[in-house]
Amino acid sequence: DGGITQSPKYLFRKEGQNVTLSCEQNLNHDAMYWYRQDPGQGLRLIYYSQIVNDFQKGDIAEGYSVSREKKESFPLTVTSAQKNPTAFYLCASSTERQGRNYGYTFGSGTRLTVV
Amino acid sequence: SQQGEEDPQALSIQEGENATMNCSYKTSINNLQWYRQNSGRGLVHLILIRSNEREKHSGRLRVTLDTSKKSSSLLITASRAADTASYFCATSLAGGTSYGKLTFGQGTILTVHP
Repeated sequence: DGGITQSPKYLFRKEGQNVTLSCEQNLNHDAMYWYRQDPGQGLRLIYYSQIVNDFQKGDIAEGYSVSREKKESFPLTVTSAQKNPTAFYLCASSTERQGRNYGYTFGSGTRLTVV
Repeated sequence: SQQGEEDPQALSIQEGENATMNCSYKTSINNLQWYRQNSGRGLVHLILIRSNEREKHSGRLRVTLDTSKKSSSLLITASRAADTASYFCATSLAGGTSYGKLTFGQGTILTVHP
């Protein structure tokens, strides 16, 4: 089955530590996105990539970094510079057919907690 | 600030009733999408309506779009307990690439009582 796989499902980070969240898709989608969700709130865009080896900052990129070396993979690193990293992180992908977009496909999320 | 804002923030109904959620946005859009999220899970795409469309149907879902009022509504007919979830609207802004980034609202929490 095609889809997006995020791992791990739960992640615990110590103060001052960098951690990397994995996102892999086998949908052959061109674009991939990382969103952060805090309790009771909507999603905020961290980074997005529309093509391999290129990515753009979203609304809350500070303290995060990404790479897009392969079409299938878009890992997110939460650095020690991110002061409040505890949140639910969602990865998504999308593509176009005949010039039209048909919505995002989301992974099941990674819940990151600072301990 | 959020581009999309949902109303109400929470909605509680009985099984079999209809549920209506509204979304307002601020700037011109390319399309508007509705997503569903069960607790602790990822979002699932429900329906997409383009700026030149006024109404779309998908099963028990009906979405309307009024670009003059910059608003959309999602109607779930004959609701079921399994419809209990958070529902988000998301907008794709006009002028960008057609599969550019989406901006999400804060969501409506729907509870359907058996």
